[in-house]
This record gives sequence, structure tokens and C-alpha cells, in this order.
Amino acid sequence: ETGVTQTPRHLVMGMTNKKSLKCEQHLGHNAMYWYKQSAKKPLELMFVYNFKEQTENNSVPSRFSPECPNSSHLFLHLHTLQPEDSALYLCASSPWAGQGNSPLHFGNGTRLTVT
Amino acid sequence: AQSVSQHNHHVILSEAASLELGCNYSYGGTVNLFWYVQYPGQHLQLLLKYFSGDPLVKGIKGFEAEFIKSKFSFNLRKPSVQWSDTAEYFCAVKPSSGSARQLTFGSGTQLTVLP
Repeated sequence: ETGVTQTPRHLVMGMTNKKSLKCEQHLGHNAMYWYKQSAKKPLELMFVYNFKEQTENNSVPSRFSPECPNSSHLFLHLHTLQPEDSALYLCASSPWAGQGNSPLHFGNGTRLTVT
Repeated sequence: AQSVSQHNHHVILSEAASLELGCNYSYGGTVNLFWYVQYPGQHLQLLLKYFSGDPLVKGIKGFEAEFIKSKFSFNLRKPSVQWSDTAEYFCAVKPSSGSARQLTFGSGTQLTVLP
């Protein structure tokens, strides 16, 4: 059990669909992250929230829209995606984004396929 | 900005063989170093970390890593691998004074252990 739960585990969507990924952490952390994991490439940081405030948007296209209603929940809203957006999307948390010594805790990820 | 190189994309070993996975980073200052592991179908989890002190770090499941500052390396080792070590291994680095969002991952090494 990771303490970070992501749903759904798998998602197939067309380019015109709108869907959302959900992440929930039960660790009492205050920072949450979205990463994109593509085959043979390093994990790419997408967004960072610290105490519900977005502190990082790593030049992510606007078709990805994050939402953090509270420190325990993080969403990634998807619309008009492209096939190259197919990847494993990972959520992670840490005590807070400014604390460098604490490792990230990851969820199992959502495997997204865009058709 | 820092970067991480994992030169071996795929390593195949027989059980009981010794393992060494390479990790080199580029950054001019002091760093924190991490190895994460992702077992098939599971979440990324921390294997071990180095912040300061003894450059030989021991982690879970018999893994260890040695920080060699002069070589900018943090290679992962295990004297005798098991079939259950089959997984993808990611090296990560961040500036010691940096925040968690500055964590940079390598592209990963897939380890396959043959029974």
C-alpha cells in the first residue's frame, strides 16, 4: 500500500473526449505532483501544488488542467488530447514542496491511451 | 540545471549474479541522490537515498549505492540478484539546497533476472 491512490488505473479516450484523473493521498502531506512517464524517457514533472497552491507548471499544454481542492486530493482534467499524450501519469506527494530531504511517495499511476 | 544519465537501458542477469547499474549526474554543487524502483504493475518506491556522510548507502532488499563525488556517480549494486528484483530502476538527483520539485530523474534501467 503506497498511501497514494490513483484512479482509474487504465483509461482509453478519444481525442475529443473530456476525462479526469484522480489522486488521493492519506499521508498527511501538503505537496502533490503530477508526472508524465513515457517509455525510455525520464519522468517529466508537469505540475506541483504546495498547500493547495500551484507552484509549478512545467510548460504543460493547456489541454491538461490540474485542480487541487485540498491537500489530500489532486485532479488532472484532460480534453482534446493528442495520441502523443498516451503515457503513464503518476501522482506523488511529499510533506511540502520546499523540503528537499523528503522523498516523493508515488501512486500506481494511470495508464492513458489516446486514440 | 542538473541532468541524470543512466547508460544501461536494459540489463539481463541470471539469478545470483552481481548487479551494478550506472548513474551519472551533472551539477556543479552539492546534491541529494536517490534510487527508485518500479516493480511490474506497482508504484515507484524509494530504494535508497544519499544526503550526506558515508558515501556508501545501504537500502532495502540488500541494495547499496556508492556516491563518488569526483566521478559524479551514484551506482547501484547488489551482490546477488533474485528473480524478484526484476523491475525498472530510476536514479534521481536534486540540488541539496533545492526543493522537491527540482528532483530530476534518469530515463531508467530495466533489469530482467532470469530464474
